[in-house]
Amino acid sequence: NAGVTQTPKFQVLKTGQSMTLQCAQDMNHEYMSWYRQDPGMGLRLIHYSVGAGITDQGEVPNGYNVSRSTTEDFPLRLLSAAPSQTSVYFCASSPTDTNEKLFFGSGTQLSVL
Amino acid sequence: KQEVTQIPAALSVPEGENLVLNCSFTDSAIYNLQWFRQDPGKGLTSLLLIQSSQREQTSGRLNASLDKSSGRSTLYIAASQPGDSATYLCAVIRLPGTALIFGKGTTLSVSS
Repeated sequence: NAGVTQTPKFQVLKTGQSMTLQCAQDMNHEYMSWYRQDPGMGLRLIHYSVGAGITDQGEVPNGYNVSRSTTEDFPLRLLSAAPSQTSVYFCASSPTDTNEKLFFGSGTQLSVL
Repeated sequence: KQEVTQIPAALSVPEGENLVLNCSFTDSAIYNLQWFRQDPGKGLTSLLLIQSSQREQTSGRLNASLDKSSGRSTLYIAASQPGDSATYLCAVIRLPGTALIFGKGTTLSVSS
C-alpha cells in the first residue's frame, strides 16, 4: 500500500517557469489537499478537493491551479514561478473532509531562483 | 482569525523523562484537534485526533487532552525515548471542509 505519493522530491525552477507537482493516492480517499510549509509560518492550505471534479481554494491559492479529474490524482500547477513560491509542498488525503485518518506525502522541496 | 500557538518552540530532555507539549488556539469553535509528528525531511504522521466533544485520547505512551473552553491542548509523552525526537505539530479545523490551521510546532530532542 503506497499511500500518498508525491513527485518530484526536489525541483529547482527559474522565475517565470511553470511546472506541475504530482500527487497520487491509492486509498480511494475523497478528500485531498495541498499545503506549503515555510520556516516560521507553519503549514498553510493552498487548495483542496472533496472529490473528483470538485476543487476549492484554501488560505494561499494565488499563483497555483489544481484539477481533480480522478479520485486518485490531484496535481498542483505553478503557472509562473516566483521566488516567493520557494517552499516545501505537501499533499495529503483523507476519507472525508473532517481530516480524520489524514495521510501526508513525503513532500516536494521547490526552489525558485 | 484562528491562530494556533505552540510553546516551547524547542525542548531537550534526557531519555526516560515524562514531558508535556502545549498547544493553544484563539477560537474555541473547533470541530477537532490533531497532533502530528514530523521527522526531518519527511511528511507528517497523525498521532492523535480529539473531537470537540472529547476531553482526551490515548495511544501507547501518548496522551492528548483538550480543554476547548480555554483554548488549550496538551500532548503528554511518557518515558521519552531517543526515537521520539521529532517536531510535533498541533492543528485545528473549525468545520468539516475548512482548512486545518497548524501551529509552528515544537522540536523535541531526546538524548540517550
